[in-house]
Amino acid sequence: AQSVTQLGSHVSVSEGALVLLRCNYSSSVPPYLFWYVQYPNQGLQLLLKYTSAATLVKGINGFEAEFKKSETSFHLTKPSAHMSDAAEYFCAVITYSGAGSYQLTFGKGTKLSVIP
Amino acid sequence: DSGVTQTPKHLITATGQRVTLRCSPRSGDLSVYWYQQSLDQGLQFLIHYYNGEERAKGNILERFSAQQFPDLHSELNLSSLELGDSALYFCASSARKGLAGGREETQYFGPGTRLLVL
Repeated sequence: AQSVTQLGSHVSVSEGALVLLRCNYSSSVPPYLFWYVQYPNQGLQLLLKYTSAATLVKGINGFEAEFKKSETSFHLTKPSAHMSDAAEYFCAVITYSGAGSYQLTFGKGTKLSVIP
Repeated sequence: DSGVTQTPKHLITATGQRVTLRCSPRSGDLSVYWYQQSLDQGLQFLIHYYNGEERAKGNILERFSAQQFPDLHSELNLSSLELGDSALYFCASSARKGLAGGREETQYFGPGTRLLVL
């Protein structure tokens, strides 16, 4: 079984400050990891994904995440927060089975508030 | 606008009833995915269809079923509805059947159908 833990259901940062959203996973097989963003009253949007190429992944809107196997982590960062970054962020893990099917598990989400 | 459309936007029904939610993928996309988002359960993957065939199944209840039609639109059927089924149901589409590849394996999400079971 696999799981995803997002530390902190709510995170507040000042505009211009570093954004750090934490994600830890557990998986018995090599995972693929994703970060999604959900703006208020909108659907999800893919921010970035780790697919076993580079461990540092750059995404849209200035976000990036680093896959650290030894720490089973995939934390999301952005050097300088903008007001428009206020949203809910979801980490997800996918593992593929030998039959070609897969399991997809989401974390519970972290709501990011940006203080002017 | 992601290009994925879902109807209806809102649905209010009673316990025990059956509803059908519809999803039209982006033009040319062969995969459709269904998700449920609720306060209790969070975000859950339900099911994935690729070119008419089931590709992967997540936490989909037996009371729920889905299919993808030859024109690639998909329907999610929810039956014997319970209060706990109240949620936002949204779908996504992608060009191919995988999720971990490049641009053609990126999902685009619809705005969702908000279901309220009374």
